[in-house]
Amino acid sequence: GAVVSQHPSWVICKSGTSVKIECRSLDFQATTMFWYRQFPKQSLMLMATSNEGSKATYEQGVEKDKFLINHASLTLSTLTVTSAHPEDSSFYICSARVGREPSYEQYFGPGTRLTVT
Amino acid sequence: AQSVAQPEDQVNVAEGNPLTVKCTYSVSGNPYLFWYVQYPNRGLQFLLKYITGDNLVKGSYGFEAEFNKSQTSFHLKKPSALVSDSALYFCAVRDYGNYQLIWGAGTKLIIKP
Repeated sequence: GAVVSQHPSWVICKSGTSVKIECRSLDFQATTMFWYRQFPKQSLMLMATSNEGSKATYEQGVEKDKFLINHASLTLSTLTVTSAHPEDSSFYICSARVGREPSYEQYFGPGTRLTVT
Repeated sequence: AQSVAQPEDQVNVAEGNPLTVKCTYSVSGNPYLFWYVQYPNRGLQFLLKYITGDNLVKGSYGFEAEFNKSQTSFHLKKPSALVSDSALYFCAVRDYGNYQLIWGAGTKLIIKP
């Protein structure tokens, strides 16, 4: 099956610094990737959809200047949390869309645990 | 508007017993339905999906789900639960042409030895 990797798996950073999270599709090309945020014991919250070679589409309420998304190639999307604050601490998960209508599937990365101190 | 409901926050089942995790949905067109499982501090793993065809869908790890159009449900089932099935289960739906998944709140499944 399709494999999606994320790096790092966990990161601790100081308030005010920036953190970059990488999402890679290892054995397929992903035109579309998604970035989610998950709070403890809660469902996934879609942050943005990124399409290769174009600007990401952010969900309502997500600050695009704070959460910078770059999808420069068909196998790599990055999420940069800029000027991180403790409230940005969360579990960030990326996923890649595979297949064509109607059989789209989403394959998920293992997630990145961000802790801002 | 599309929506997914998982009415149970938690389901407790004894090992060896059958399990059911409930999911109901609402979409404007034909539903495409998915089940994912999440183990602690891990990403989501795809279990199974319903696109069209047989109402009973078989997936990974012995799980299956039954699509019921009249009841707008897609309950996840397994005939005999294992302790290792303990995890968080998410139901999701989308309709044709809309690639964004709508997620349920998740159901924590606890299998007791």
